[in-house]
Amino acid sequence: AQTVTQSQPEMSVQEAETVTLSCTYDTSESNYYLFWYKQPPSRQMILVIRQEAYKQQNATENRFSVNFQKAAKSFSLKISDSQLGDTAMYFCAFTPGGSQGNLIFGKGTKLSVKP
Amino acid sequence: DVKVTQSSRYLVKRTGEKVFLECVQDMDHENMFWYRQDPGLGLRLIYFSYDVKMKEKGDIPEGYSVSREKKERFSLILESASTNQTSMYLCASTLLQGVQETQYFGPGTRLLVL
Repeated sequence: AQTVTQSQPEMSVQEAETVTLSCTYDTSESNYYLFWYKQPPSRQMILVIRQEAYKQQNATENRFSVNFQKAAKSFSLKISDSQLGDTAMYFCAFTPGGSQGNLIFGKGTKLSVKP
Repeated sequence: DVKVTQSSRYLVKRTGEKVFLECVQDMDHENMFWYRQDPGLGLRLIYFSYDVKMKEKGDIPEGYSVSREKKERFSLILESASTNQTSMYLCASTLLQGVQETQYFGPGTRLLVL
């Protein structure tokens, strides 16, 4: 079975500091995409960042970057210069190759940014 | 901007009632999805649709059905609501089929079944 594991149910970080959220996944596929989605307290889920499995270069989006370790099946999210608006649930997700785009989600990490 | 709307933010129903949850997207997206979100379990796929009148079962389809009569609208139906279907329901859509596509989510419907 293909699974996504987020081992940190809750985390907190001080404003302006850096935090890393971990994610591991299990698949036998060679072609797939990985995503981090953010769900703020208002509940609308939005995409933070995504990574193609065939690309070795780690994806970055402003203050958000990933550490993609394909051999280890690890896909962690680093948030630099944390802001109060980063407070949210963060979900790691995976789309297997050959699928029609349906996502397999981890259980989520609740991140609190403290002033 | 892509807009995905859901008919209700909060819904209270009684056991045995037939419940309709509606989702509409305004960007001519091909794929639409229904997820259920429960604390400690993340999001689980109930059903998805890749075209009008087409549907595929997800991981937890039992107790649910779906309808997609028009491209922009995807309905989730609880034929006979039960208390274990109390949950947050999220709808999502993607422009095209494919593993690289970003999913755009609606605001969610929090359903309470009494």
